[in-house]
Amino acid sequence: GENVEQHPSTLSVQEGDSAVIKCTYSDSASNYFPWYKQELGKRPQLIIDIRSNVGEKKDQRIAVTLNKTAKHFSLHITETQPEDSAVYFCAASKGSSNTGKLIFGQGTTLQVKP
Amino acid sequence: GAGVSQSPSNKVTEKGKDVELRCDPISGHTALYWYRQRLGQGLEFLIYFQGNSAPDKSGLPSDRFSAERTGESVSTLTIQRTQQEDSAVYLCASRRIGETEAFFGQGTRLTVV
Repeated sequence: GENVEQHPSTLSVQEGDSAVIKCTYSDSASNYFPWYKQELGKRPQLIIDIRSNVGEKKDQRIAVTLNKTAKHFSLHITETQPEDSAVYFCAASKGSSNTGKLIFGQGTTLQVKP
Repeated sequence: GAGVSQSPSNKVTEKGKDVELRCDPISGHTALYWYRQRLGQGLEFLIYFQGNSAPDKSGLPSDRFSAERTGESVSTLTIQRTQQEDSAVYLCASRRIGETEAFFGQGTRLTVV
């Protein structure tokens, strides 16, 4: 069945360093890959997404890369700040023309030390 | 409303009791999803509504779980004869048809004692 694996489960970095979170997906029909940030006790919020016709997308300090052949996608955060500390979830979907159902990874707890 | 609203925010119930969780999606969002998030885990898909029909119920873990939706508005998730393993945060999300972003509610934290 559909599955998304996410690594690492926890990540601790020094303020200013980069952080990388990696995901793999099983369903080759997946074509939409969002990343959500969830702060403690709050709702998940979309921070960046990528579609399968694009290999990389960047938004300020955040970038996402996609390798369709290997079925891998990654989140890159540069110049990390303490407010980046949160749980990050990757997800995969067959897109809005299908049900739009998101299959989530298990999450990565990112701690940015000041 | 401005966002997806869920109620109650917290619910403590005794094992064996039934509970109803409510989701008010963003106005105009015809797609609605329920997810379950166990402590320290990812979000597990439960059910998808398109309008008031549920073409994908594949994530409902047992026949104790059911959900309904009135038109393109409120949805309720009902858990009958609750068990301790049902303890989790139940999240609702909605999406406008033709768009990709799903917006989440703040969740209902269910504790079965």
